[in-house]
Amino acid sequence: NAGVTQTPKFQVLKTGQSMTLQCAQDMNHEYMSWYRQDPGMGLRLIHYSVGAGITDQGEVPNGYNVSRSTTEDFPLRLLSAAPSQTSVYFCASTGQGADGYTFGSGTRLTVV
Amino acid sequence: GENVEQHPSTLSVQEGDSAVIKCTYSDSASNYFPWYKQELGKGPQLIIDIRSNVGEKKDQRIAVTLNKTAKHFSLHITETQPEDSAVYFCAASDNNNDMRFGAGTRLTVKP
Repeated sequence: NAGVTQTPKFQVLKTGQSMTLQCAQDMNHEYMSWYRQDPGMGLRLIHYSVGAGITDQGEVPNGYNVSRSTTEDFPLRLLSAAPSQTSVYFCASTGQGADGYTFGSGTRLTVV
Repeated sequence: GENVEQHPSTLSVQEGDSAVIKCTYSDSASNYFPWYKQELGKGPQLIIDIRSNVGEKKDQRIAVTLNKTAKHFSLHITETQPEDSAVYFCAASDNNNDMRFGAGTRLTVKP
């Protein structure tokens, strides 16, 4: 049982580059979310989805896009990377009957 | 939107002592309050949660209390052990999908 799988684990980007952080879950969870974690600021919600085809913005959505074409996958796209997007990114999922969110192991992104 | 504040930001205790972490929230519609433990290099893991129809919940050495009137909830760890050392996050949501987190508490348990 893999749970929530995030790739890559580490990434270095140059300012202005774009990339996609991948997230997949195998628990048939309806809800999926992306958080960024910065020192002293906890986890801040970027985007979330309540089901395939439905997404919504969280606290800090600017500079990021998401899509949810399947229940399993919820990729996060950085359109034009900026140094302020240097962070650790976590994907999480939950569903009916689940206890809280299950988190992936994170992607550490550095933008230079 | 929901705003969650968490205190203290760091906490150091001797092994065997108790640790208490407190959180407040702003949205009276919030009805689900989980606590997560994050070890170095890993994602947060759920350790206990409470819903608004319950005032207290215990699971072995950990317990959570909720005061809906005052909009605060707390995590209590008794008989702390070195392996309890980690960062702990509280969170609140009204529908389990838009979940907001506190800034975290770094707990250190000294042997």
